[in-house]
Amino acid sequence: LAKTTQPISMDSYEGQEVNITCSHNNIATNDYITWYQQFPSQGPRFIIQGYKTKVTNEVASLFIPADRKSSTLSLPRVSLSDTAVYYCLVAPGYSSASKIIFGSGTRLSIRP
Amino acid sequence: EPEVTQTPSHQVTQMGQEVILRCVPISNHLYFYWYRQILGQKVEFLVSFYNNEISEKSEIFDDQFSVERPDGSNFTLKIRSTKLEDSAMYFCASSEALTNDYGYTFGSGTRLTVV
Repeated sequence: LAKTTQPISMDSYEGQEVNITCSHNNIATNDYITWYQQFPSQGPRFIIQGYKTKVTNEVASLFIPADRKSSTLSLPRVSLSDTAVYYCLVAPGYSSASKIIFGSGTRLSIRP
Repeated sequence: EPEVTQTPSHQVTQMGQEVILRCVPISNHLYFYWYRQILGQKVEFLVSFYNNEISEKSEIFDDQFSVERPDGSNFTLKIRSTKLEDSAMYFCASSEALTNDYGYTFGSGTRLTVV
């Protein structure tokens, strides 16, 4: 499984756009990039997944450059409720039996 | 939106006792997982389960741990003789069979406290 590196923590303010970048230099051809969010005392929650270019859903956007060695999770106009730990994961996309491994994640704190 | 349900939400047990943590995965999912998270630490993989057998397990998942799918809906994690260091949040997760388009769906967890 490809190793990921992301900032330990980030701070921002309500209404701002937040971009969290993750590096995954050893990503394999069949790997997908997935982001999860975890609130205190809750299970991780799937946010978004992509393979290349840009993916957007109602929660976030995921930008993946052509070399796929990094990715950026973009949260538009954050609110206090976006305070959470965000995990970047790399794993085969079409093999559900492959376990996903969580790193330390990025602890995002949103201030009023 | 379909949910993974875990019971109980909290469990306090004495060291050396057996505990069973219960999970009801999403009905059309075929892959099941247990993770744990010690307070302030990473979410750690324990075991994956498919077609009524363990697919993969971590070093944490030693002989004290076992999993079972006793019927068509429940997925359980048993710890035979709990230790103080087993105190953690235990999360069950499930995923769809052929694709991972929507990732894993995690339950809200069971907080296990061993005293």
